[in-house]
Amino acid sequence: GESVGLHLPTLSVQEGDNSIINCAYSNSASDYFIWYKQESGKGPQFIIDIRSNMDKRQGQRVTVLLNKTVKHLSLQIAATQPGDSAVYFCAENKGAQKLVFGQGTRLTINP
Amino acid sequence: DAGVTQSPTHLIKTRGQHVTLRCSPISGHKSVSWYQQVLGQGPQFIFQYYEKEERGRGNFPDRFSARQFPNYSSELNVNALLLGDSALYLCASSLVSRQETQYFGPGTRLLVL
Repeated sequence: GESVGLHLPTLSVQEGDNSIINCAYSNSASDYFIWYKQESGKGPQFIIDIRSNMDKRQGQRVTVLLNKTVKHLSLQIAATQPGDSAVYFCAENKGAQKLVFGQGTRLTINP
Repeated sequence: DAGVTQSPTHLIKTRGQHVTLRCSPISGHKSVSWYQQVLGQGPQFIFQYYEKEERGRGNFPDRFSARQFPNYSSELNVNALLLGDSALYLCASSLVSRQETQYFGPGTRLLVL
């Protein structure tokens, strides 16, 4: 069956520290993953994506790591800022543009 | 450039009524997908339309239907509303039909009383 899950429903970090949000998936044939950020009252905002032919991809202050051996991916946010407070979702693109989302991790930044 | 737009932003209906939600994709995008997001959960896929044809459907009852117009905008219709249909309805667009980044609109928040 379809399954994309996040490890922790909530994560609290100090401002300026690095944040790591984890996600696991069940289908070893899965080949395209996307991280979205959703702020209160808004739609999900694309952060970064990765395809299965890559292990790592970097953006501005964000890095996504994909470990196909253990079917795990993570989103790392460097130097976390108050504006990073949101719910973060990992999603798998199942084809025909069908995204399967995990439950989300709420990231809280402490001053 | 304008992103994905949705209307209305909020809507209150009563059980048994029907509702029509509208979405305009990013200019140049031909694929539109609809998702339902219940409070506290991740979005759930409802439909995908590409070039005015349904290309994918999630596990939703036939009360849910959609269509895409020649200008690539889309409507989601829900008939015989139930209390459990209360949710944020999200529209996402992408350039083509497969394995492309989807960009989401702000959503329509539907409350069924």
